[in-house]
Amino acid sequence: DAKTTQPPSMDCAEGRAANLPCNHSTISGNEYVYWYRQIHSQGPQYIIHGLKNNETNEMASLIITEDRKSSTLILPHATLRDTAVYYCIVREAAHFGNEKLTFGTGTRLTIIP
Amino acid sequence: GAVVSQHPSRVICKSGTSVKIECRSLDFQATTMFWYRQFPKQSLMLMATSNEGSKATYEQGVEKDKFLINHASLTLSTLTVTSAHPEDSSFYICSAPDRGSSSYNEQFFGPGTRLTVL
Repeated sequence: DAKTTQPPSMDCAEGRAANLPCNHSTISGNEYVYWYRQIHSQGPQYIIHGLKNNETNEMASLIITEDRKSSTLILPHATLRDTAVYYCIVREAAHFGNEKLTFGTGTRLTIIP
Repeated sequence: GAVVSQHPSRVICKSGTSVKIECRSLDFQATTMFWYRQFPKQSLMLMATSNEGSKATYEQGVEKDKFLINHASLTLSTLTVTSAHPEDSSFYICSAPDRGSSSYNEQFFGPGTRLTVL
């Protein structure tokens, strides 16, 4: 799986958009970008994933650059409950026998009141 | 989304004892489950892949005789830490993909079990 690089920490004011970057310059054509987050002392939670088009769901938006070498997760109106470690993971789409997730160090996002 | 539970949520044991952690898929069948370990201020590290009805697959460097995995049913996998020592103190997390749903590319994680070995 391609490696990812994320800033170790970020702060964001409550109510503002939180933009979390991720570099994945060695991503291959069949690899997706996945985002998970982990609130303190809990299991990780799936947020969103995408291949090359931008994606949006009820939690966040995912913007992938045209060359696919980087992406940005956007939390449009951050709340205190969004304080967590956010993990960007690159992996082929899940199929039987290929569902393992390899976690990097992630970005610790702190939402400031 | 699908729900994965773990029991117990936290356990404290004496050095040399064995501890069993359960991971259950509550509303779907999980033929595969994953076990992770997370030390304080570190990321999740995959320990092993649990396969229903067959032997688990362990990641490099993980002792299979120390971390026994049993996946005896389609909704339950257990991790037993045998002869636990203080260095085994960690946060253990399981996960499972819901292969039968449209959310297959998501993966559902349990809430974790905090093990403290005295």
